[in-house]
Order: sequence, then structure tokens, then C-alpha cells
Amino acid sequence: AQKITQTQPGMFVQEKEAVTLDCTYDTSDQSYGLFWYKQPSSGEMIFLIYQGSYDEQNATEGRYSLNFQKARKSANLVISASQLGDSAMYFCAMRDLYNNNDMRFGAGTRLTVKP
Amino acid sequence: GAVVSQHPSWVICKSGTSVKIECRSLDFQATTMFWYRQFPKQSLMLMATSNEGSKATYEQGVEKDKFLINHASLTLSTLTVTSAHPEDSSFYICSATDRGRGEKLFFGSGTQLSVL
Repeated sequence: AQKITQTQPGMFVQEKEAVTLDCTYDTSDQSYGLFWYKQPSSGEMIFLIYQGSYDEQNATEGRYSLNFQKARKSANLVISASQLGDSAMYFCAMRDLYNNNDMRFGAGTRLTVKP
Repeated sequence: GAVVSQHPSWVICKSGTSVKIECRSLDFQATTMFWYRQFPKQSLMLMATSNEGSKATYEQGVEKDKFLINHASLTLSTLTVTSAHPEDSSFYICSATDRGRGEKLFFGSGTQLSVL
């Protein structure tokens, strides 16, 4: 069974600073995908970044980068140059790619960017 | 990018009534759709997985007779909350995938259900 762990219920960061949101996972799957989604107060789920388990390089998408450490089973999200609009809930998620199964989510981290 | 439309965005109903939520993939054929439920300040919990033309697969603890899921076409899945009660009040969100579009899921905007 898959398990996603986000140990930071809330995080604060100063505007323009970088912040790291932690995510660890546990799975017996050989081929899996790791995702980060942002959920603002409106409720929509906004896709941020994806990392495949066989990808050797860490994924980057603009100000978002994923620090993937496979041996440690961690997939931390790094947001550089934080903006006030980054304040939201952030969810780490995993999906078994071989069976094209559902996506399971961590508990989430509420990020607040301070001016 | 791929768009998933979900409506209504919010609904208020009386206890005992049924509510139907629609989830449509607008520009792709969704071979699989997932329904999630989210309580305030909590994470998304998978309720069921539906594949077009077949019965939905429900997660443990989710009552299939209470949460009826129909995936009659490649672009439409519906979730009907039957005989709703106040404890069913929650945020329901659908997502869809298509093998040709990679690994990520595309989410609807969610439905806030309030049962009085």
C-alpha cells in the first residue's frame, strides 16, 4: 500500500525567500509518479510539478523544483522567490504508473507568505 | 491544457434528498475518473474509481448504495449522493485521466455540498 507523509501542517515564509515543503513516501511499486498540487481557498487543485520514479534529474517548473531522493523516499518541493499568491495548501501525491491507478494524497501543508 | 468541468460548484439541500454532481472532460476522452471527498482542513480522500462502461470500484468504507457513480460515456461521470444527511456535507472533487495525456490527473473545480 502507498503512504504519503507531509509532516509540516503549516509553514511561514517571507516574501521573496525560498521555502521547502517536505514529503516522504512509502511504496512497493517499481514505477510511480510523484506530484505536487496547490489548492487555494477556492478549492481548485492546481498541478505544479511531476517527478517519475525513473527520472534521473530533478524536475523543475519555473519557480518550483522537486528535490527527489529516491533512496530516502523523499520528494520535497522547493519554491523559490515566494510570492504572496503562493499562500495556499500544498499537497504531495503519488500514483502507481504501472497499473495507472488512482492518486493518493498526503495530509497537506498550509503555506503562508508574509509581506 | 485539458479541462475538466464540474458542477454545480455548490449546493444546499434538505436532509433526505438526493443530489447529483456532474464531471465532464471537455477536450479529451477520460478513460478513468476518480471521485474524492475533502473535509475542511483535511486532505483529499479517494471515494471511488470509475471506468467508462463498467461499475465503479469503491474504497473501503464508502457506501456504494449511498454514493452512486455512473460513468456512461468517455466524457461524463456523475456522483449522486442519495438520501443526503448533514454528515455528508463536504467538498467533493472529481478528476479524470487519459492515457494519452501522461501521468497527471486533471481536476474539476469541486462541489461544496451542504445538507441542512
